[in-house]
Amino acid sequence: AQKVTQAQTEISVVEKEDVTLDCVYETRDTTYYLFWYKQPPSGELVFLIRRNSFDEQNEISGRYSWNFQKSTSSFNFTITASQVVDSAVYFCALSRVSGNQFYFGTGTSLTVIP
Amino acid sequence: DADVTQTPRNRITKTGKRIMLECSQTKGHDRMYWYRQDPGLGLRLIYYSFDVKDINKGEISDGYSVSRQAQAKFSLSLESAIPNQTALYFCATSDRGALNNQPQHFGDGTRLSIL
Repeated sequence: AQKVTQAQTEISVVEKEDVTLDCVYETRDTTYYLFWYKQPPSGELVFLIRRNSFDEQNEISGRYSWNFQKSTSSFNFTITASQVVDSAVYFCALSRVSGNQFYFGTGTSLTVIP
Repeated sequence: DADVTQTPRNRITKTGKRIMLECSQTKGHDRMYWYRQDPGLGLRLIYYSFDVKDINKGEISDGYSVSRQAQAKFSLSLESAIPNQTALYFCATSDRGALNNQPQHFGDGTRLSIL
């Protein structure tokens, strides 16, 4: 069975601090895909990144970076120099090759305090 | 205009009523999905459809039904609404892709309250 765990329910940081959101997944598949989505207070879900299981290169996009470690089944998300606009709920998700079903974690609510 | 449009955005109704939530997309995607979001539970898949003639149950399909009227339209029905179906409902679409690795694109959600 597939499972995604986001153990951090809520995180608060002061603006300009760095913050890491953890994501641990379970799957027996050898090929799978991992995603991060952002849900701002307005409610919509915004796609941030996709990572294939056979590509363990870390990725950086501006203040965002992702650390994928297959050995620990983790796909962590770091925001550098956080801003108030980063306040949102962040979801990690896993997708299997056999179908495009997504398995979502329960989300981490990030509050950035000015 | 939004690529994935959900109607209504908000709905309050009474127990026992039949409710239909509609989703339409202009992205030309084959695949469509319905999720519900509850506090502390994340998003859970209700039903999904990979093309017009394909309907599949998700994790929590009991009490729900769907209809894929066209490639661009996928509606979710609650035949007899009950209070624990109060939630935020999302429709999503994805492209077929070569490796089934396409991101899902979400509508803005429908907030449903059942009294």
